[in-house]
Amino acid sequence: EVQLVQSGAEVKKAGESLKISCTISGYSFANRWIGWVRQMPGKGLDWMGIIYPGNSDTRYNPFFQGQVTISADISVSTAYLQWSSLRASDTAMYYCARLVGPQQLPWYFDLWGRGTLVTVSS
Amino acid sequence: DIVMTQSPDSLAVSLGERATISCKSSRTVLSSSNNKNYLAWYQQKPGQPPKLLISWASTRESGVPDRFSGSGSGTDFTLTISSLQAEDVAVYYCHQYYSIPPHSFGQGTKLEI
Repeated sequence: EVQLVQSGAEVKKAGESLKISCTISGYSFANRWIGWVRQMPGKGLDWMGIIYPGNSDTRYNPFFQGQVTISADISVSTAYLQWSSLRASDTAMYYCARLVGPQQLPWYFDLWGRGTLVTVSS
Repeated sequence: DIVMTQSPDSLAVSLGERATISCKSSRTVLSSSNNKNYLAWYQQKPGQPPKLLISWASTRESGVPDRFSGSGSGTDFTLTISSLQAEDVAVYYCHQYYSIPPHSFGQGTKLEI
């Protein structure tokens, strides 16, 4: 069974750093794009960025470029999303999701994790 | 970037009736090389992650009831639920994956009974 298991909810203060994870099982982690999607409270979905673990090719939404870092560790089949200095506006649910499509041009998300809720107090 | 705009923002439909959600893109998502529309639809129920319903504008995912259908081409797309069931209450999102990343989602349409 294919699973995307995300790390647990986090409560942080503004200015702190954070790294959340998404651990994959049931398929070859290296050969499929993994993405991160933000959902702020009561709002829609924001496409943040994606990574191809096999070669660490990473594509960011310019809105999030420089604000977060997406990475992957093939040895533990895990993708990460990290912040060096959180803001209150980072409070949101963060989903990891697997993409369908070739390495050259990823397509849509076919499987989603259950989300990691990040709460940042000011 | 391609901007996706859904309408309406919310919709109330009676059980057994048809629900129609529109999604318009600021630029075409139809590829001239393979004649495919790079457009997907997702369903998000309260407290759950999104679920893929339809890809390539009209290809239903395995296990998705056939009351869900997608149509359209180029810049104008529609998600139709032919006979609304109680379990269809959710927020629905369109997603274009035509552009070199970033891709983009519509703002969502909340479907209620």
